[in-house]
Amino acid sequence: EVQLVESGGGLVQPGTSLRLSCAASGFTFDDYAMHWVRQGPGKGLEWVSGISWNSGNVGYADSVQGRFTISRDNAKNSLYLQMNSLRAEDTALYYCVKDRRSSVNYPTFDYWGQGTLVTVSS
Amino acid sequence: EIVLTQSPGTLSLSPGERATLSCRASQSVSSNYLAWYQQKPGQAPRLLIYGASTRATGIPDRFSGSGSGTDFTLTISRLEPEDFAVYYCQQYGSSPLTFGGGTKVEIK
Repeated sequence: EVQLVESGGGLVQPGTSLRLSCAASGFTFDDYAMHWVRQGPGKGLEWVSGISWNSGNVGYADSVQGRFTISRDNAKNSLYLQMNSLRAEDTALYYCVKDRRSSVNYPTFDYWGQGTLVTVSS
Repeated sequence: EIVLTQSPGTLSLSPGERATLSCRASQSVSSNYLAWYQQKPGQAPRLLIYGASTRATGIPDRFSGSGSGTDFTLTISRLEPEDFAVYYCQQYGSSPLTFGGGTKVEIK
């Protein structure tokens, strides 16, 4: 059974940093691209970032480019999101998501974690 | 960036009825790379359809997707109680990938 378990969310002040983690199990982690997708309170879905199976290709939404960094450790079956210079508009539930493919091109998301909540407020 | 507009915003139907959800793109979606997701309250989204019309693993055949270019449709042939949820479309043919704003299917 595929499992994606996020951690690291919390309440932080604007301008500070946070690192999210995702522990994956139930599939061959290094065969697939992985992504972070967020959902603001009562809002829709927004893709944040994606990383290919071997970390060779990464992508970011314009809204987080230059502030967030995605990474993965295939030996630990783990995905990360380093979030710097956080803003109030980054407040959301952050989902760790598995791609159907190994590449970040043409991504579709076949498994989702339950999310970790990030609240940015003073 | 391709903007996806979903309509209607809310669809009020009874169990057993047919649901037709629309997703319109601001530009043609390359290779019909359009997916649909279902999200129930308090749960993560679930992939239903990709490639505009291919059902994901384990998805019942009452769910079907159709369309091409800029106009896509998700049809639920006969609504079951567990189908009342919010549905999102997503295009992945152009970067950045984008989601529609969602259609809520509620019990009438």
